Amino acid sequence: GQQLNQSPQSMFIQEGEDVSMNCTSSSIFNTWLWYKQDPGEGPVLLIALYKAGELTSNGRLTAQFGITRKDSFLNISASIPSDVGIYFCAGHSTSGTYKYIFGTGTRLKVLA
Amino acid sequence: GAGVSQTPSNKVTEKGKYVELRCDPISGHTALYWYRQSLGQGPEFLIYFQGTGAADDSGLPNDRFFAVRPEGSVSTLKIQRTERGDSAVYLCASSTGAGETQYFGPGTRLLVL
Repeated sequence: GQQLNQSPQSMFIQEGEDVSMNCTSSSIFNTWLWYKQDPGEGPVLLIALYKAGELTSNGRLTAQFGITRKDSFLNISASIPSDVGIYFCAGHSTSGTYKYIFGTGTRLKVLA
Repeated sequence: GAGVSQTPSNKVTEKGKYVELRCDPISGHTALYWYRQSLGQGPEFLIYFQGTGAADDSGLPNDRFFAVRPEGSVSTLKIQRTERGDSAVYLCASSTGAGETQYFGPGTRLLVL
């Protein structure tokens, strides 16, 4: 099935560093979501974006809805060990269906 | 409970058998989604319900897969004649309405031997 392109695929960072990841689509989306998934669990919603250009924060997390409506970015500031996990973007297109397309995931590992 | 619940949490079956996976959405959520997640991949859309009806079943891979939501709350995903390739985590999510934020359950891990 269709999946969005996320990058980087994985990253190792030192505790305290900032992290950036992005997600791109070949089609226009009108909603972007960012999720975090821990092993053995379902994805947990971090941030939801509903408007092109929107910049939203949730604690140390900041996400932006790209102005082209074909991409989104997630930044994590001052990473801590519990940030470890897999981060997924998800988009909902304007084509009339309400199914969400998920990205391939960014696997984050934080070194203490 | 307050969140989406799924049962069983794990299911091991033999090739060719029939399985049913259950999802209890958040109370009051009218929209319900099923996804399949293979190892190392993101969730892949299967089907979405608005109330009792399947509003979009374009993600179901073939006619061995079927899902119901007879009373607009609990949903059951049914897989007939299971194949080894059906092994995956099956995730359920619910939302207050179409296009609204989805909240996921913990998933059912299906292993077909």
